Amino acid sequence: GNSVTQMEGPVTLSEEAFLTINCTYTATGYPSLFWYVQYPGEGLQLLLKATKADDKGSNKGFEATYRKETTSFHLEKGSVQVSDSAVYFCAATGTASKLTFGTGTRLQVTL
Amino acid sequence: NAGVTQTPKFQVLKTGQSMTLQCAQDMNHNSMYWYRQDPGMGLRLIYYSASEGTTDKGEVPNGYNVSRLNKREFSLRLESAAPSQTSVYFCASSSRLAGGGETQYFGPGTRLLVL
Repeated sequence: GNSVTQMEGPVTLSEEAFLTINCTYTATGYPSLFWYVQYPGEGLQLLLKATKADDKGSNKGFEATYRKETTSFHLEKGSVQVSDSAVYFCAATGTASKLTFGTGTRLQVTL
Repeated sequence: NAGVTQTPKFQVLKTGQSMTLQCAQDMNHNSMYWYRQDPGMGLRLIYYSASEGTTDKGEVPNGYNVSRLNKREFSLRLESAAPSQTSVYFCASSSRLAGGGETQYFGPGTRLLVL
């Protein structure tokens, strides 16, 4: 089956710093790839997605590019804000549209 | 649209008690899912339903049962709760993407504590 590996947190950054959260996957075929965000006490929200190689997903200043050659989907943001503090999950689709999630990366942004 | 709703938000059970977690979606999605979230383990799929009238086991189905009551509703039942089932439970439903694959939408979660 599929597996998703993402960098462990917590990641602590100062406001306006550059963010990278690494995500790599193993899968048969070509899965769709997702980043979800979970704010404290809430459910997961879709942040961005990409359905095929070289696609770039983007939303709210976050970006991730589907890299088939490196089986990666790293999340980046040029300038983080305190309001970006949350847990970020990378995920990949498998059979029957089931999602496989990474373990999550907690981001803490400080002033 | 309310999206995906879950009840209750919080629940405390004693070992051996039973309960049903309710989930409903108003997005006319065919597929619905139940996950549990535990610290350091991400989300793990318990059961899913690809369409009304069908259910299948996920990664961690032991100790749970599900019912796809109709297209909108997908319930999760714990027949005899155990402390190992203390977790946060999320329901999700999914729609097909234009380019293939499906996007899942999540409910706010149910926090369950089993004493």
